[in-house]
Amino acid sequence: EAGVAQSPRYKIIEKRQSVAFWCNPISGHATLYWYQQILGQGPKLLIQFQNNGVVDDSQLPKDRFSAERLKGVDSTLKIQPAKLEDSAVYLCASSLHRDPYEQYFGPGTRLTVT
Amino acid sequence: AQRVTQPEKLLSVFKGAPVELKCNYSYSGSPELFWYVQYSRQRLQLLLRHISRESIKGFTADLNKGETSFHLKKPFAQEEDSAMYYCALRTGGGNKLTFGTGTQLKVEL
Repeated sequence: EAGVAQSPRYKIIEKRQSVAFWCNPISGHATLYWYQQILGQGPKLLIQFQNNGVVDDSQLPKDRFSAERLKGVDSTLKIQPAKLEDSAVYLCASSLHRDPYEQYFGPGTRLTVT
Repeated sequence: AQRVTQPEKLLSVFKGAPVELKCNYSYSGSPELFWYVQYSRQRLQLLLRHISRESIKGFTADLNKGETSFHLKKPFAQEEDSAMYYCALRTGGGNKLTFGTGTQLKVEL
């Protein structure tokens, strides 16, 4: 089966600019996750969707980050405006259902904010 | 609050030597622990979970609730085991994972 797809793979922007990431989960996977992985740290969950509804966004900095999953398939994560500390790899993952299925990860998008 | 600690950033062993990657957790509820692995230029993937009690690629991990640990072990390291290993804790009723900071395992010839 095809894996989780993400684009772009790399992005360099200046601080205060906006950026968007796209994720296409594995077909049929109801649950989608966005993680932020800062260099030297483990992935940190930003937001979790069940179909097109938000299950957990407790660690999403809502003043600048937003995410949506229209139609319960693809998802976009946006940062507006970006800060230097947003430099990280943004990982998307999906699982068949919410609990407790294995999460399958995408290749990630490496964001550099200058 | 839940927390996962991996004390070693880098672990270097010789081929054929035993490997133990340490993981400690703190969580007030009933924990579910996982090990994820990321080989060079590959995606993060599940290696094993404690509820399965299985051996994957020769690796095993036992949940020790008394010591709040879930160390990953392999009796004889292979070159292909070189990778980044993350311990993760699942909490609550959802599928939320809290990851440790990871340990880079380097197996030398």
